[in-house]
Amino acid sequence: QVQLVQSGAEVKKPGASVKVSCKASGYTFPLYYMHWVRQAPGQGLEWIGIINPSGDSTDYLEKFRGRVTITRDTSTSTVYMELYSLTSEDTAVYYCARARSHYSDFDFWGQGTLVTVSS
Amino acid sequence: EIVMTQSPATLSASPGERATLSCRTSQSVSNNLAWYQQKPGQAPRLLIYGASTRATGIPARFSGSGSGAEFTLTISSLQSEDFAVYYCQQYNNWPPGTFGQGTRLEIK
Repeated sequence: QVQLVQSGAEVKKPGASVKVSCKASGYTFPLYYMHWVRQAPGQGLEWIGIINPSGDSTDYLEKFRGRVTITRDTSTSTVYMELYSLTSEDTAVYYCARARSHYSDFDFWGQGTLVTVSS
Repeated sequence: EIVMTQSPATLSASPGERATLSCRTSQSVSNNLAWYQQKPGQAPRLLIYGASTRATGIPARFSGSGSGAEFTLTISSLQSEDFAVYYCQQYNNWPPGTFGQGTRLEIK
């Protein structure tokens, strides 16, 4: 069965960076896109960006451009999202989510990773 | 960017009742719309894609309708496990992950 297993919770200080991983299993990893979405406490869902199946193309929400990098490692079926220059506004649960194409629904989601930014 | 508006923000209903949730987009998205269910402490789960196609394993009491800029998610007979937050998402225009603000379905 399809599984997306994310890395554990992180606590970071303002100005630091965080790298969250998402390990995929149960499907042919190189055939699917992967999105990252975040959810601040008590808030809705905010899209961050996407990486294509081959890993050579990414697309980010404008507010995150220059502050986020999404990469993937086909040898380990893992996707990474690194966010830099953290502020308290980045405190949220971060999700990876699988997609069939750049513009499609998100059919499977990781369990989420809580990132807390606090001095 | 497309603006997604879900209504109502909160819907109170009783088990066995029918629930109707609305999602409007600021411009046409054709039928490129999905619905997700999220329970506390859990990741969202895909319910409906293509505006009206149920995802694998989703019970038949969930149905989606609409096209263009107006969409509806209907739960025909509410079960206790259906009380959650529901989000719509459009994937017709950039950015591909544009979500509504959510509708909280609570037990009356």
